[in-house]
Amino acid sequence: GAGVSQSPSNKVTEKGKDVELRCDPISGHTALYWYRQSLGQGLEFLIYFQGNSAPDKSGLPSDRFSAERTGGSVSTLTIQRTQQEDSAVYLCASRKVYGGDRYEQFFGPGTRLTVL
Amino acid sequence: AQSVTQPDIHITVSEGASLELRCNYSYGATPYLFWYVQSPGQGLQLLLKYFSGDTLVQGIKGFEAEFKRSQSSFNLRKPSVHWSDAAEYFCAVGDTGGFKTIFGAGTRLFVKA
Repeated sequence: GAGVSQSPSNKVTEKGKDVELRCDPISGHTALYWYRQSLGQGLEFLIYFQGNSAPDKSGLPSDRFSAERTGGSVSTLTIQRTQQEDSAVYLCASRKVYGGDRYEQFFGPGTRLTVL
Repeated sequence: AQSVTQPDIHITVSEGASLELRCNYSYGATPYLFWYVQSPGQGLQLLLKYFSGDTLVQGIKGFEAEFKRSQSSFNLRKPSVHWSDAAEYFCAVGDTGGFKTIFGAGTRLFVKA
């Protein structure tokens, strides 16, 4: 597709269950980001992948959160033992680099996670 | 560490009136600056970006923003607001390595008839 896609668009789960959120970036974009947007809040950086480099995990809120990126393309964000405070919209973005280090992020539509 | 402040949580303007949304940033060098818009239930769409050069940046949908280094600001403006501009607006600052982009908390724009 032409843009960043995310699945599922909505996910309702019970407290304590594990969830997996998927992101398909734009083909050819080497960098991928995950953000979390809680109700009425801005975007909270979670994790960043760049090519084959080790990911920047500095934004992950706890060790229940993890992410991987396979083959430099698709990424999966996993939340283990979900808690109600994990309820949010999870946004994925891929990055296009222009000349030099100028860049632009393209965002997916997000996955709305609700933990009951 | 870089940071972004959007002082106004929400703003209401009349249709046809001018708009200015404020953004202040903190960054040790010349930052990369962005404005995004998020309509209800939608993802984020880039309105405009600043990397260097001309400090007045034109974007899509009739928006512009001005980078003022002395004030550490990057305010978004539009001369005449349309009802369809009602949305959430996010200012963001990126480091020149492009490794991390930090977003402000957002300003929600309401447009009244």
